[in-house]
Amino acid sequence: AQSVSQHNHHVILSEAASLELGCNYSYGGTVNLFWYVQYPGQHLQLLLKYFSGDPLVKGIKGFEAEFIKSKFSFNLRKPSVQWSDTAEYFCAVTNQAGTALIFGKGTTLSVSS
Amino acid sequence: ETGVTQTPRHLVMGMTNKKSLKCEQHLGHNAMYWYKQSAKKPLELMFVYNFKEQTENNSVPSRFSPECPNSSHLFLHLHTLQPEDSALYLCASSQGAGTYEQYFGPGTRLTVT
Repeated sequence: AQSVSQHNHHVILSEAASLELGCNYSYGGTVNLFWYVQYPGQHLQLLLKYFSGDPLVKGIKGFEAEFIKSKFSFNLRKPSVQWSDTAEYFCAVTNQAGTALIFGKGTTLSVSS
Repeated sequence: ETGVTQTPRHLVMGMTNKKSLKCEQHLGHNAMYWYKQSAKKPLELMFVYNFKEQTENNSVPSRFSPECPNSSHLFLHLHTLQPEDSALYLCASSQGAGTYEQYFGPGTRLTVT
């Protein structure tokens, strides 16, 4: 069965530092990949998604992610974080049947100003 | 109202009570989902409905009973719950089931006493 691993449970950064959050999945077939963000007290919302094409995808608020098929990875990056990026970040991947999304445990990002 | 709404936002119930959670989406989507979000755990998919038909039941105990009367409304009927069922219950919708990006509601914070 498809599984998703987010290796960083809690990341603490200062403003302007660069960010990379890891996401690995287990099923190597055709998948769609997503990063969602949950700001404190707000809904889960989509940051970016990959369906096909250019493996480097750009999302909202300066985030990007790179799909590396050979590594089963879809890491999230941002060159310079801001205090407002403090949130929980979830990686999600379609299951093998393509009928639902499987979410990782999430990574809490704390950015100090 | 826009997006995905959920009511109530907070619910406290005893183990012998019966209550229902309601979700409504205003996006014209065909698929709706229930998730359970507990501390330190991944989002757990509970149920998927596509065009009002249940397509996924992720081994959810029968004390949780979903209902989808139409593509815009989704209910989760609760009865004889356990304290470990206390969690944030999230509803989501998408254009179609599985591979499409999902839009989430704010959730219902459920406490079982």
